[in-house]
Amino acid sequence: KAGVTQTPRYLIKTRGQQVTLSCSPISGHRSVSWYQQTPGQGLQFLFEYFSETQRNKGNFPGRFSGRQFSNSRSEMNVSTLELGDSALYLCASSTGTGAPDNSPLHFGNGTRLTVT
Amino acid sequence: AQTVTQSQPEMSVQEAETVTLSCTYDTSENNYYLFWYKQPPSRQMILVIRQEAYKQQNATENRFSVNFQKAAKSFSLKISDSQLGDTAMYFCAFTDNYGQNFVFGPGTRLSVLP
Repeated sequence: KAGVTQTPRYLIKTRGQQVTLSCSPISGHRSVSWYQQTPGQGLQFLFEYFSETQRNKGNFPGRFSGRQFSNSRSEMNVSTLELGDSALYLCASSTGTGAPDNSPLHFGNGTRLTVT
Repeated sequence: AQTVTQSQPEMSVQEAETVTLSCTYDTSENNYYLFWYKQPPSRQMILVIRQEAYKQQNATENRFSVNFQKAAKSFSLKISDSQLGDTAMYFCAFTDNYGQNFVFGPGTRLSVLP
């Protein structure tokens, strides 16, 4: 079974630009969540989608948005990039139903975003 | 809001020895779930072990076991017979009954020395 796939692996953007990251979950997984990982803040939850609906959202500004398609693939968009948005963005998928210990997160390799 | 604390930013252990990583958390929930994830230098996060708060018995997965103290809100990870491949960042994580939002600790960087 293929794992969680994130594209691209690396991105370099300049301030003010926008960026779109993509995540393909494990086949059969309907939940996709996004995390921002930085050395200073650690792993911070961005949002979670299930069956094309955002079920939960972290404490990030509106510049961060996402969506999920009918095939469960998800995209995350960051508009008006700032230097502080430089981070590793991790996507994780799970079945999204049932007890969390039976539906743990499976992570992708991440997208390393550098904003200059 | 739930918080997860890992008080050891870095640790090292000799190969074949045992090491314990600490994790404490804060929540007002009665049932919840705790996890340890491992992030090797290749950076893909991997689930190590999981525990439901209602279950009194400590979870074990081969060389990995936890010491879950619900009253103390403590969830430490013990790695026995450490191997070089255990070198990684280890994250303690918490989620509620719904599992829609995981809260991660800051991580402990573990180095296994030959």
